[in-house]
Amino acid sequence: NAGVMQNPRHLVRRRGQEARLRCSPMKGHSHVYWYRQLPEEGLKFMVYLQKENIIDESGMPKERFSAEFPKEGPSILRIQQVVRGDSAAYFCASSDSDGPLRQYFGPGTRLTVT
Amino acid sequence: AQTVTQSQPEMSVQEAETVTLSCTYDTSESDYYLFWYKQPPSRQMILVIRQEAYKQQNATENRFSVNFQKAAKSFSLKISDSQLGDAAMYFCALPLSGNTPLVFGKGTRLSVIA
Repeated sequence: NAGVMQNPRHLVRRRGQEARLRCSPMKGHSHVYWYRQLPEEGLKFMVYLQKENIIDESGMPKERFSAEFPKEGPSILRIQQVVRGDSAAYFCASSDSDGPLRQYFGPGTRLTVT
Repeated sequence: AQTVTQSQPEMSVQEAETVTLSCTYDTSESDYYLFWYKQPPSRQMILVIRQEAYKQQNATENRFSVNFQKAAKSFSLKISDSQLGDAAMYFCALPLSGNTPLVFGKGTRLSVIA
């Protein structure tokens, strides 16, 4: 059973470009969570999605950030018009119907904005 | 709001010795879970141990155990017989509320000295 997959592992974008981060949950998992980790910080929750629904986006910046988890395909975290402050590691986690008590994390995507 | 505090930014331990990492938290929930995650240099988030707040017995996983003091809202991690592979960042976490996503502390960087 493959774990949570994230791609790309490293992404470099210039200021003003768009970044798309992908997350494929573990097989059978229908809950996806995105977290952001700034240097020397813990992970901070951004958004919680189930298939085709955003459940909680209280940690998501109001502008430039969006997330989706379509019926088919991976979950996408999209950052428009990136700025240097968006440079961070972005982690995706997934869980089954038991909820976040058994969250499995992907390896993360390190975004660098130049 | 839920908060998690790790007051030790860095700790070190001699190989084969025991070390305890501290974590305090605040929550308005009466029933909840607490977690310790390990993040090695690969940045992969690995679940180390989980404690259910309604259980008085402290959780144990091989060389890892917790000292859970519910009244004091304290949740420390003890690593026995420390190994070089234990060197990593360690994060304490609990759910925002109920079964919703996790709130993480800022982490403790553990070094293991040969």
